[in-house]
Amino acid sequence: AQSVTQPDIHITVSEGASLELRCNYSYGATPYLFWYVQSPGQGLQLLLKYFSGDTLVQGIKGFEAEFKRSQSSFNLRKPSVHWSDAAEYFCAVGAEQAGTALIFGKGTTLSVSS
Amino acid sequence: GAGVSQTPSNKVTEKGKYVELRCDPISGHTALYWYRQSLGQGPEFLIYFQGTGAADDSGLPNDRFFAVRPEGSVSTLKIQRTERGDSAVYLCASSSQGTNTEAFFGQGTRLTVV
Repeated sequence: AQSVTQPDIHITVSEGASLELRCNYSYGATPYLFWYVQSPGQGLQLLLKYFSGDTLVQGIKGFEAEFKRSQSSFNLRKPSVHWSDAAEYFCAVGAEQAGTALIFGKGTTLSVSS
Repeated sequence: GAGVSQTPSNKVTEKGKYVELRCDPISGHTALYWYRQSLGQGPEFLIYFQGTGAADDSGLPNDRFFAVRPEGSVSTLKIQRTERGDSAVYLCASSSQGTNTEAFFGQGTRLTVV
């Protein structure tokens, strides 16, 4: 079955500390992988995506993610968290085929403490 | 418009009533998606339009749900005989080529069935 697992429901990180959000996927075809962020009352904003090539991808707001095929993982990282990063983060998987729906994980809520 | 626009932002309706949710995609985007996000969950795919036609409606939960896109731009998601379990945030997204290069999401319509 195709699925995305985000093992951590809620994470709290001190401001300035590093962050890693975990994402594991199960997908039959070559996966296209995404991380989205959702702030309260806001829509989903794309942070970064991986299709092919370099397995370490850079995104907006200082985020990066690394694709590890052997572990079926696509973890999101940030070296130094800012208070404004507090939000909900969703990992998603899809395919290149036109119209293929994205499959989302249940999300990880990030809180940032001062 | 500059982004995907969804109206209304909030809708409260009584059980058994009919509701319509509107999505205005980014101008020129041929692909349009509807997702539903229940509390504590990631978005779940409902239906995908390429142009005017529904290319994939496999995510619609039952025949009370229907969506149209008559002119290939604005889309309306229609829910008949609403049930309390329909309460969720309904998200619309559009993309330019119908592939998963990037889908831009609206802010969603929060539907509450009382």
